[in-house]
Amino acid sequence: DQQVKQNSPSLSVQEGRISILNCDYTNSMFDYFLWYKKYPAEGPTFLISISSIKDKNEDGRFTVFLNKSAKHLSLHIVPSQPGDSAVYFCAASAPGGGADGLTFGKGTHLIIQP
Amino acid sequence: ETGVTQTPRHLVMGMTNKKSLKCEQHLGHNAMYWYKQSAKKPLELMFVYNFKEQTENNSVPSRFSPECPNSSHLFLHLHTLQPEDSALYLCASSQQGYNEKLFFGSGTQLSVL
Repeated sequence: DQQVKQNSPSLSVQEGRISILNCDYTNSMFDYFLWYKKYPAEGPTFLISISSIKDKNEDGRFTVFLNKSAKHLSLHIVPSQPGDSAVYFCAASAPGGGADGLTFGKGTHLIIQP
Repeated sequence: ETGVTQTPRHLVMGMTNKKSLKCEQHLGHNAMYWYKQSAKKPLELMFVYNFKEQTENNSVPSRFSPECPNSSHLFLHLHTLQPEDSALYLCASSQQGYNEKLFFGSGTQLSVL
């Protein structure tokens, strides 16, 4: 059963507008959330993260919002640029005593149209 | 340059072959990971090594055999694979392995014929 869900396989946004990518999770133990960006033939690269003690984290054009009660997070990109076209993965981790890695969603393919 | 290097980038192998994937990280990290990405599926965690000790084996078939000789190097030995094992295999590393961001390599695109 998927613990991290990205229900939109793709999203098309006009250049200059806001892109909003959504992610839902089911495991209430998750306390750290990340967004990764992936271009074809490359590995995922870290974009932004948020701890469960916060509800918002901002880094330049990228803002992540966390709604713990709804078990939902979103990534806002504004303004969207052509170079933002990529697959975006939501990931989460739970506290533990060892290296558990991250649990990923299936990804959302963001397409920025000129 | 992400600091995590994977070789080869592409690999085609028959079901009776034995091959190995190599990963090297230049970041001074202590934890290393193997992930598998199949089409239209989430990245699946396969193995975790923390300070050279395997701490996670996510129910991976024995035809996949990891090896971590030191904190900088990670191998994935492959033998008698099946066509459904064709996927992108990604190596990653992190500082201590405790709920933190991972740094990924570019992956090895594996095709099993």
